[in-house]
Amino acid sequence: GNSVTQMEGPVTLSEEAFLTINCTYTATGYPSLFWYVQYPGEGLQLLLKATKADDKGSNKGFEATYRKETTSFHLEKGSVQVSDSAVYFCALSSKAAGNKLTFGGGTRVLVKP
Amino acid sequence: ETGVTQTPRHLVMGMTNKKSLKCEQHLGHNAMYWYKQSAKKPLELMFVYSLEERVENNSVPSRFSPECPNSSHLFLHLHTLQPEDSALYLCASSQDRLAGGNNEQFFGPGTRLTVL
Repeated sequence: GNSVTQMEGPVTLSEEAFLTINCTYTATGYPSLFWYVQYPGEGLQLLLKATKADDKGSNKGFEATYRKETTSFHLEKGSVQVSDSAVYFCALSSKAAGNKLTFGGGTRVLVKP
Repeated sequence: ETGVTQTPRHLVMGMTNKKSLKCEQHLGHNAMYWYKQSAKKPLELMFVYSLEERVENNSVPSRFSPECPNSSHLFLHLHTLQPEDSALYLCASSQDRLAGGNNEQFFGPGTRLTVL
């Protein structure tokens, strides 16, 4: 079955630091990959996505590249802000698995001024 | 009102109470979902509805009873819950459950449930 593994947090950074959150997956078929973000007290919001190998998703300064050879979809941002403090979830869906979203455990990121 | 809304945002109930959570989506989507988010656990998919028909029930106890009267509304009826059911309950919707693998889901803000 499908599964997603992402680094455990919390990750604590200073403002303007570089952020990387690792995500690897196992999947049946050819999955689409997603990063969702959950700000305090809110639901999940789609941050970015990639639907095929070598695609790069980007939004709000965040980027992630779909790497089929390493089954990875690492999230990066070059210069974080305090407002980026949130929990980040890597997820995938595949038609072969009924298009259900499979989530990783989430990584809490805390950016200090 | 836009997106996916959930009410109430917070709910405290005793183990013998009956309450309902409500979700409404204003996106014209055909599929709706209930998730449970507990501390230190991965997000758990509970139920999936497609075109108002329940298509998935992930071994959820019968004290949770979903209802989908139309494609815009989804309810979760709660009865004789346990303290371990305390969690954030998230509703989501997507255009189509069988959207070719590109199943982007839109989430509501959740209902924070505390069972005493």
